[in-house]
Amino acid sequence: ETGVTQTPRHLVMGMTNKKSLKCEQHLGHNAMYWYKQSAKKPLELMFVYNFKEQTENNSVPSRFSPECPNSSHLFLHLHTLQPEDSALYLCASSQNGGLEQYFGPGTRLTVT
Amino acid sequence: SQQGEEDPQALSIQEGENATMNCSYKTSINNLQWYRQNSGRGLVHLILIRSNEREKHSGRLRVTLDTSKKSSSLLITASRAADTASYFCATEGNTPLVFGKGTRLSVIA
Repeated sequence: ETGVTQTPRHLVMGMTNKKSLKCEQHLGHNAMYWYKQSAKKPLELMFVYNFKEQTENNSVPSRFSPECPNSSHLFLHLHTLQPEDSALYLCASSQNGGLEQYFGPGTRLTVT
Repeated sequence: SQQGEEDPQALSIQEGENATMNCSYKTSINNLQWYRQNSGRGLVHLILIRSNEREKHSGRLRVTLDTSKKSSSLLITASRAADTASYFCATEGNTPLVFGKGTRLSVIA
């Protein structure tokens, strides 16, 4: 897990707050991903970045806004979230799309 | 859809026994991967098997792939209490990795 770090590990926010999740990978990979994991649902791919360019947006609501300033950093900006957005948000990276992904420990988000 | 579906949803075994989990999918794939997740943590990659491979081993793990049946199995031999976790298959084809809902394995000491 030390290859991909995520901060914060836990976050509680109100529906009117604005917060950001941060992911950093130390593996020299060129692809980064955001996933949402809710209870009793499959892992949902949210966004994919390859060489800092967004290549996949899986119909994610605009209240989630990703940012990838470079190949090592990925952010997820959150605003006006809903209680159903409470979940574990996982970041991952890979050398190329299609190969094994390395996951961070996740941010447990609770929207009150 | 490409999404894999694991079977069973939950499995409980005694330490030392073997655990077998299955994964079925619906479309053609380039590779299939198995991941493990301890409660509330990130996923850890276990093994990748390409569409032209039929079987692969890694330590106590054995993975098979049958592309004609669109299915894969993960066998964990001589299970340990530390193997308790959720196990996910993920398929890669025309889209990025698509994960199944997972099998929750409990190994009782």
